[in-house]
Amino acid sequence: QQQVKQSPQSLIVQKGGISIINCAYENTAFDYFPWYQQFPGKGPALLIAIRPDVSEKKEGRFTISFNKSAKQFSLHIMDSQPGDSATYFCAASMDTGGFKTIFGAGTRLFVKA
Amino acid sequence: NAGVMQNPRHLVRRRGQEARLRCSPMKGHSHVYWYRQLPEEGLKFMVYLQKENIIDESGMPKERFSAEFPKEGPSILRIQQVVRGDSAAYFCASSPRTGGAESGYTFGSGTRLTVV
Repeated sequence: QQQVKQSPQSLIVQKGGISIINCAYENTAFDYFPWYQQFPGKGPALLIAIRPDVSEKKEGRFTISFNKSAKQFSLHIMDSQPGDSATYFCAASMDTGGFKTIFGAGTRLFVKA
Repeated sequence: NAGVMQNPRHLVRRRGQEARLRCSPMKGHSHVYWYRQLPEEGLKFMVYLQKENIIDESGMPKERFSAEFPKEGPSILRIQQVVRGDSAAYFCASSPRTGGAESGYTFGSGTRLTVV
């Protein structure tokens, strides 16, 4: 019930294309859904996040789509660039849980020039 | 304002030795979280601490692993009698006491433990 399932495991996209990463959760008590970006040898960094009362959030080329009834959310990277090549983690947390965050298994994105 | 500082960056230990990983949270942050990342895998929650208190250790192995966050000084993750399976990257994150989940985590760059 504490799991966050993420797919695909890896993704190759042409420069300028759209990268789509999907996640699903089970625990309806989760109320905050961040995405983190991790480059090799670095710690993850917060990219964008959403609350379940919003169906979509956009920041630049990054968009989260959220489907509360299906308990699914996804990250869309528009106009993907080689510099976006990294590992992306979806995650879920709840304020009442002391902000403990549960992470998906990660998606390794490679954007071909 | 320095970020989350972890040291050492790389640590090599022989089987049976002890490993001590240190994490200094961001200034003003009073919550510390430890995660383990195995090669090609995601981040697995280990423990959540506040100053002098362990709040949630549900992800910590029952034996050989311990964590503390003293009133003064960094948080320490201690692994006794290390085995090859302990080889992983260990990340520390911190967050402020107020602001809720939206304050987000700030991660350190991790300690890469190799057990030989």
